[in-house]
Amino acid sequence: EDQVTQSPEALRLQEGESSSLNCSYTVSGLRGLFWYRQDPGKGPEFLFTLYSAGEEKEKERLKATLTKKESFLHITAPKPEDSATYLCAPLPSGTYKYIFGTGTRLKVLA
Amino acid sequence: GAVVSQHPSWVICKSGTSVKIECRSLDFQATTMFWYRQFPKQSLMLMATSNEGSKATYEQGVEKDKFLINHASLTLSTLTVTSAHPEDSSFYICSARISGRESEKLFFGSGTQLSVL
Repeated sequence: EDQVTQSPEALRLQEGESSSLNCSYTVSGLRGLFWYRQDPGKGPEFLFTLYSAGEEKEKERLKATLTKKESFLHITAPKPEDSATYLCAPLPSGTYKYIFGTGTRLKVLA
Repeated sequence: GAVVSQHPSWVICKSGTSVKIECRSLDFQATTMFWYRQFPKQSLMLMATSNEGSKATYEQGVEKDKFLINHASLTLSTLTVTSAHPEDSSFYICSARISGRESEKLFFGSGTQLSVL
């Protein structure tokens, strides 16, 4: 059975304090991975799709990387507006069923 | 970017009544839509995959007779919670998939908060 684990569950950072979020998974074949951001009471917002080990993508203060077993979302010099829950979902081969991880709740303090 | 519109944003109903939630893709055609359920501070739980013109595929443990899904057109999927009870209170979110070469994405609606009294 495919499994997705995100760590840490919650993270508090001071503004400007860089850190990384982890997404690890066991899936039967991996063709890619999603990263999403979700604000309270709203639907998730797309951040990245990564397709191959070694791939990196950046958007403002966020950079996502992918290996065969895990993905990292690096946040550089975060601001309070980066506070949100960050979700990942691996894309298993042969199916378009998306299973999301439990998320990391990020709080950036001014 | 692509937009998925979900209505209503919130609904309060009495126990035993049915509630319909609509999910529309506004500027693209979605052959496949997904319905998720989310409890406070928890992740998205996939309920079912909705395919245009065919029956939905439900995840294990999801009652298909309670959560009726209809995907009658390429831009509209609906979720009907039948005979709702307080334990059905939750945040329901739909999404639609767009895929192309190196551009697979899910676009989500804004969610529906259901409260059953």
